Amino acid sequence: AQSVTQLDSQVPVFEEAPVELRCNYSSSVSVYLFWYVQYPNQGLQLLLKYLSGSTLVKGINGFEAEFNKSQTSFHLRKPSVHISDTAEYFCAVSEGSGGNMLTFGGGTRLMVKP
Amino acid sequence: DVKVTQSSRYLVKRTGEKVFLECVQDMDHENMFWYRQDPGLGLRLIYFSYDVKMKEKGDIPEGYSVSREKKERFSLILESASTNQTSMYLCASSLKRTYEQYFGPGTRLTVT
Repeated sequence: AQSVTQLDSQVPVFEEAPVELRCNYSSSVSVYLFWYVQYPNQGLQLLLKYLSGSTLVKGINGFEAEFNKSQTSFHLRKPSVHISDTAEYFCAVSEGSGGNMLTFGGGTRLMVKP
Repeated sequence: DVKVTQSSRYLVKRTGEKVFLECVQDMDHENMFWYRQDPGLGLRLIYFSYDVKMKEKGDIPEGYSVSREKKERFSLILESASTNQTSMYLCASSLKRTYEQYFGPGTRLTVT
């Protein structure tokens, strides 16, 4: 069975600083990988996804992530964060099995300080 | 844009009540999902459906049931609500052959 670990439950960072949110997964087969963002009192919104091809994936709002198969990681990065990036971020993986189910990590709360 | 709506943003129910959470999507998606979200645990799949009248158990189906009578509507039912079902409930939908899921705004359920 697949599982997803987000190594940091909270990440405080100052505005305009770079940030990396870490995600590791375990799976014995090829996977599809996703990052979602949840702003306060809202549902989840897709930031970016890796299905195949280039291991560096660019998403919305200046975020990018790199798929590293040997390290089974899919870390999310942004070179310069804004106050508006304050939110909870979820990493998710799918093995592509029936129903297209996603397994989510526990989430990382990004807190951007002025 | 895909729109997934949920019938209530906030609900307060008493222990033992039967609770219905409704979800509607407007993009003709085949797959629909119900998750619960708890701090530190992320999202956990309760049930999903890949077609009308079809349902599959997720990771935590105990205490829940679902109904999908129409393609656009997926209902989550708590037969007898308990305090440990206090949580945020999120509905999502996706096309049959894709993995991107679209989420509703969530229903925060409190069972007292």
